[in-house]
Amino acid sequence: GQQLNQSPQSMFIQEGEDVSMNCTSSSIFNTWLWYKQDPGEGPVLLIALYKAGELTSNGRLTAQFGITRKDSFLNISASIPSDVGIYFCANSNAGKSTFGDGTTLTVKP
Amino acid sequence: GAVVSQHPSRVICKSGTSVKIECRSLDFQATTMFWYRQFPKQSLMLMATSNEGSKATYEQGVEKDKFLINHASLTLSTLTVTSAHPEDSSFYICSAVPGRYSNQPQHFGDGTRLSIL
Repeated sequence: GQQLNQSPQSMFIQEGEDVSMNCTSSSIFNTWLWYKQDPGEGPVLLIALYKAGELTSNGRLTAQFGITRKDSFLNISASIPSDVGIYFCANSNAGKSTFGDGTTLTVKP
Repeated sequence: GAVVSQHPSRVICKSGTSVKIECRSLDFQATTMFWYRQFPKQSLMLMATSNEGSKATYEQGVEKDKFLINHASLTLSTLTVTSAHPEDSSFYICSAVPGRYSNQPQHFGDGTRLSIL
């Protein structure tokens, strides 16, 4: 089946630093999604991308849908302690999603 | 908008008990809901797709007689873990997609932590 390769697996950064993570696939997708999951909770949608080349921001978060439609990245600027969590990329096809393995972000105050 | 409520949030019970988990879309109708299982430090693993008014579609390796899914209305899907054993202990998460067919993102419940003693 479809597989999403998400990297890095984990990141340890200082508060105030910028963060970048990405997701790649061997398949072409029509939708890229980025979720954040806090411990013990369900994932929360951060950004949804629907067009190749699309660049979308949500506060300090920015995500882009790659031109080849096989990749996407998520940037977080000026990180804060509450950014801690697991970030997942996902695709969506007829409502069904495949998820990356996640990037665990730790932010040191 | 697009709120999904999952209940209960935590269950601790003895081996052999059957456990029912509810997933409700509170402010939208969802023809399709999904059930996931997540082990510590791992990604979400899709168990089954719940379709309103029809049988659920199970992923390979997921026992349909073990994990019973009922999607009787456009706002409610239930997952019953029958005769649960310690190896069924996990974090179960549901999600729902607004509308009938779309590439709209899934919206997730807060999960159910199931612990079988």
